[in-house]
Amino acid sequence: DGGITQSPKYLFRKEGQNVTLSCEQNLNHDAMYWYRQDPGQGLRLIYYSQIVNDFQKGDIAEGYSVSREKKESFPLTVTSAQKNPTAFYLCASSIQTGSNTEAFFGQGTRLTVV
Amino acid sequence: AQKITQTQPGMFVQEKEAVTLDCTYDTSDPSYGLFWYKQPSSGEMIFLIYQGSYDQQNATEGRYSLNFQKARKSANLVISASQLGDSAMYFCAMREGGMTGGGNKLTFGTGTQLKVEL
Repeated sequence: DGGITQSPKYLFRKEGQNVTLSCEQNLNHDAMYWYRQDPGQGLRLIYYSQIVNDFQKGDIAEGYSVSREKKESFPLTVTSAQKNPTAFYLCASSIQTGSNTEAFFGQGTRLTVV
Repeated sequence: AQKITQTQPGMFVQEKEAVTLDCTYDTSDPSYGLFWYKQPSSGEMIFLIYQGSYDQQNATEGRYSLNFQKARKSANLVISASQLGDSAMYFCAMREGGMTGGGNKLTFGTGTQLKVEL
C-alpha cells in the first residue's frame, strides 16, 4: 500500500537529548513537510522540502533540523535547543504540480519530554 | 493576523442532521486553495475536500460540501446526514500562490471539535 509511515508512534526524551523522528513515503512525492501540533493551536509548519537535498524553514524551525538525502525520506531531529518539544508531530507529502493537490499525512509521532 | 480563522472550538449535532463548520481566511494572493481535513482521535489527518480560488462552483464530495463565498473570504464545510463516525476535529487549511516556489505548504486553522450525538 502507498502511504506515509512515521515512526515511532510514541517517543520519550530526556531533557537535553536530541531525538530523530522518522518519516518515509512510497508515494513518489517530491515535496515533504513536518508540522507540529499543540492543543488548541492547529498545525504549524516546521520545515519543508520540495526536492532532494533542498529544504526550507517553516514558521517554527528553531530547535529543529532536517535532511533530505533521499526522495522517500525526510527525518526530523528535535534538538536540545528546542525549549518545549512535547507535542504531536505530523509528516506530510504532496506532488508538486496540479491545482488540486492535497497533502497526505502520516499517523504522527507523539513526543514527550520526561 | 490570522490567515485561517475557525471561530467554533466545539460543535454538537444530532445524528442525521446537517452541520456547518465555519472557516474564514485572509490572503492577498489571487491564486489559492482551501482544504478541509478531518482528524479522528487516533491522530491521522484525512483529506475531505478542496476548493480552488478560481473554481466557479462549490466543491462537493459525497456528504461533504464547501460553501465558498469568495467576496466574504469564507469556506465553510457542510456535512449532511451526520453520522457517529463524523465525531472528530476538523481543520480548515489554505495554500497560497501557484504550485511553483512554495510547494503545497498549508496554513491551518485551530480546528473545530465536532461531536455527533444520538
